[in-house]
This record gives sequence, structure tokens and C-alpha cells, in this order.
Amino acid sequence: AQTVTQSQPEMSVQEAETVTLSCTYDTSESNYYLFWYKQPPSRQMILVIRQEAYKQQNATENRFSVNFQKAAKSFSLKISDSQLGDTAMYFCAFMKVPPNAGNMLTFGGGTRLMVKP
Amino acid sequence: DTGVSQDPRHKITKRGQNVTFRCDPISEHNRLYWYRQTLGQGPEFLTYFQNEAQLEKSRLLSDRFSAERPKGSFSTLEIQRTEQGDSAMYLCASSPTYGIWYGYTFGSGTRLTVV
Repeated sequence: AQTVTQSQPEMSVQEAETVTLSCTYDTSESNYYLFWYKQPPSRQMILVIRQEAYKQQNATENRFSVNFQKAAKSFSLKISDSQLGDTAMYFCAFMKVPPNAGNMLTFGGGTRLMVKP
Repeated sequence: DTGVSQDPRHKITKRGQNVTFRCDPISEHNRLYWYRQTLGQGPEFLTYFQNEAQLEKSRLLSDRFSAERPKGSFSTLEIQRTEQGDSAMYLCASSPTYGIWYGYTFGSGTRLTVV
């Protein structure tokens, strides 16, 4: 079974600054996907960024980037130029592949990020 | 396409009552998932469907829980004889079988409060 751990229950950052959210995971699988999801207050969860385990290059989506360290089983999220709209719960999630694995997500416990003006 | 819809958004029920939630996935998605999220925690997998077939159930899904997806379209999640421990947000998500790389699309959830 997989486990995902987010060791920072809460974080805060000043608007326009950079913040990094940590995530570690444990698995015996060699191929998998990793995701960061954002859940704003009282709103639905949306995908922020994704990474395939066999790709060494770190994923980047605009102001969001990851630092994927496969050997260390670490998958941190960096948010640059933080905006007030980034205030949300952030969840790290793991998915086994291939498709017939069911593709269930295993989530971490979340990090509550507050961006301060 | 308006995304994944869940109904109701909120449900308050007395302990021992039965409740049913509905999820309408994105029409072209053949996979549908149910997750449960308690306050301050990450979502936990409950069950998933490939079209109308329920292919996996978590051990979290006790005998009081049942899910259906008739005709492979919308899905319902029923909880019988609710208990206070059932209070949670119930999330539905859908995805294509191929293209799972793009992740799920989640609904806004149904928040259940058992009093």
C-alpha cells in the first residue's frame, strides 16, 4: 500500500513571495503519477500540477513547479509570486499505473496555505 | 459540459436515518470515483466504477454503504442507518480510462452532518 505524508499542516506566505510545500511518499511501485491538488475554501478540488515518475524533468505550470526526487520519494511544490487566490488547502496525491490498476488516488493529509496581503 | 455535479450540496440527517447522494459525471468519462473527506484530512477512496461495473471497494465502505451506477451514467451513494462517524464531505470524481494522466475532475462534494 502507498502512503503520502505532508508534514506541514499550515503555512503562510506574503503576497508576491515564494513558498514551498513538502510531500513525501512511500511505495514499492516503479511507475506512478504524482499530483498536487488545490482545494479552495468551500470549492471543488482542482488539479495544480502533475508528474510522471519515469520523467526526470521537473514539471512546471506557470507559477507552480515541483521538485521531484524519486530516490528520496519526495515531491515538493513551489509557488512563485504568491497571489491571494492561492489561499487554499493543498493536497499531494499518488496514483499507481497502468490503467487497469484502477487509478485510485492516495492523498496526503493536506497543507493549509494562507497568502497574506 | 458543466463538469461533475453532486446533489445535494449539504445534508443534515438524524442518526439512524438513510441518506442518498447523487453524482453526475462528465458525460464522456467512463470512470467514476467516490471519496470521503473528514474535516482537516485528505480524501480517502471509497469505491469506483468502470461504466456500470463497480470494480473496487475500500474496506472503509461498510455494509451500510452501497453505491450504484445504472447504465454507466450518474451514480448514487446510499448510507443506511447513519452514524455520527459518517459525518464528512463525500466527493465524486470522474475520469476517462485513457488519459488518466490528466487526473480526475472532482465535484463540489456533498457535506453530510449526522446529528
